[in-house]
Amino acid sequence: ETGVTQTPRHLVMGMTNKKSLKCEQHLGHNAMYWYKQSAKKPLELMFVYSLEERVENNSVPSRFSPECPNSSHLFLHLHTLQPEDSALYLCASSQEARLNTGELFFGEGSRLTVL
Amino acid sequence: TQLLEQSPQFLSIQEGENLTVYCNSSSVFSSLQWYRQEPGEGPVLLVTVVTGGEVKKLKRLTFQFGDARKDSSLHITAAQTGDTGLYLCAGVKAGNNRKLIWGLGTSLAVNP
Repeated sequence: ETGVTQTPRHLVMGMTNKKSLKCEQHLGHNAMYWYKQSAKKPLELMFVYSLEERVENNSVPSRFSPECPNSSHLFLHLHTLQPEDSALYLCASSQEARLNTGELFFGEGSRLTVL
Repeated sequence: TQLLEQSPQFLSIQEGENLTVYCNSSSVFSSLQWYRQEPGEGPVLLVTVVTGGEVKKLKRLTFQFGDARKDSSLHITAAQTGDTGLYLCAGVKAGNNRKLIWGLGTSLAVNP
């Protein structure tokens, strides 16, 4: 199995829908991240989980709700999104010792389109 | 203000050519990483540099960290179509604030 897998790869949703993005890592890491990648912007860190506890929330709107049930799984729950939320959402993992300082292993991303 | 400036923003070359892309800043970084992101995929870590003046080689790719740890370059020799992708640099600013700062990337197209 690949190191970090994300599902779905593509998602189209209306502004009133509720959906979830899923991420699973098979690397034995204990830190997981959600990033947002938009055109003409650097990667934006959204949330960081270390040992299943949220350690960082970078002023992300409440319409994005993360969940980390264990060190291998990470979810991003989406509700009442806006068209400007359309982007590639990337999940990543790392060793806790390298928390937030790189050597990240990314999934393939979930391409989200909000209509 | 973009903390990490990458140049050029876009680059289109023929297979077999050499190229260099740059990652520059006015800030000092304790470490810097390069990632490659292929279309439709997530970024993949290529290398981490931590020492000023450090040079690392990965097959046809040569990475250099500036002496002052404010800049880095990536040189590709005899580019291949498989080198096509978005090259991202990311650095950890020196000091107590452990944050990973990302550049906008250089989009490289290697044509057959």
